[in-house]
Amino acid sequence: EAGVVQSPRYKIIEKKQPVAFWCNPISGHNTLYWYRQNLGQGPELLIRYENEEAVDDSQLPKDRFSAERLKGVDSTLKIQPAELGDSAVYLCASLGRGTEAFFGQGTRLTVV
Amino acid sequence: DAKTTQPPSMDCAEGRAANLPCNHSTISGNEYVYWYRQIHSQGPQYIIHGLKNNETNEMASLIITEDRKSSTLILPHATLRDTAVYYCIVSLTNTGNQFYFGTGTSLTVIP
Repeated sequence: EAGVVQSPRYKIIEKKQPVAFWCNPISGHNTLYWYRQNLGQGPELLIRYENEEAVDDSQLPKDRFSAERLKGVDSTLKIQPAELGDSAVYLCASLGRGTEAFFGQGTRLTVV
Repeated sequence: DAKTTQPPSMDCAEGRAANLPCNHSTISGNEYVYWYRQIHSQGPQYIIHGLKNNETNEMASLIITEDRKSSTLILPHATLRDTAVYYCIVSLTNTGNQFYFGTGTSLTVIP
């Protein structure tokens, strides 16, 4: 069984440019998370989906960040425009009916 | 917000037991204790979770105090591959669909 797939693995962009991250969760997993992890810190929850509904987006900076999960499967996280402080690893995770959330490898974003 | 307190770093000799403590003094009666670990450049990996009773699986044991205000993750025979950051998390549900990470404990297993 394939795990959580994220792309790209690495991304370098100039500030003020847009960027998008893609996540393909494990098949059948209804819950999907996006986390941001700064260097030396634990992952910070940005948004949680149950199917296509965003049920917890209180930590998502809505002025520049957006996310979607239109068909309740794949998800995209977008930043527009990117700032230097957005440099981090963006992690996607999914959860099925069990008790274990599975994480992808993450996308390492560098804003220059 | 994270509701757990962990030491920032620990060392353990290879082959010995690694005991990682976690304080969660404000845990409520229906919150579960979860442990994840993150090896460098990888996403976090589930280890174990529990509510009241001690739990054991192929990776580790979880000891929860009777008052549930603290817990200890035990890696019985640490190997070099156990070097990672270990996160203790309290979650409102048994499915773990509401959890927030703290800063974790960086465990270094020494040869």
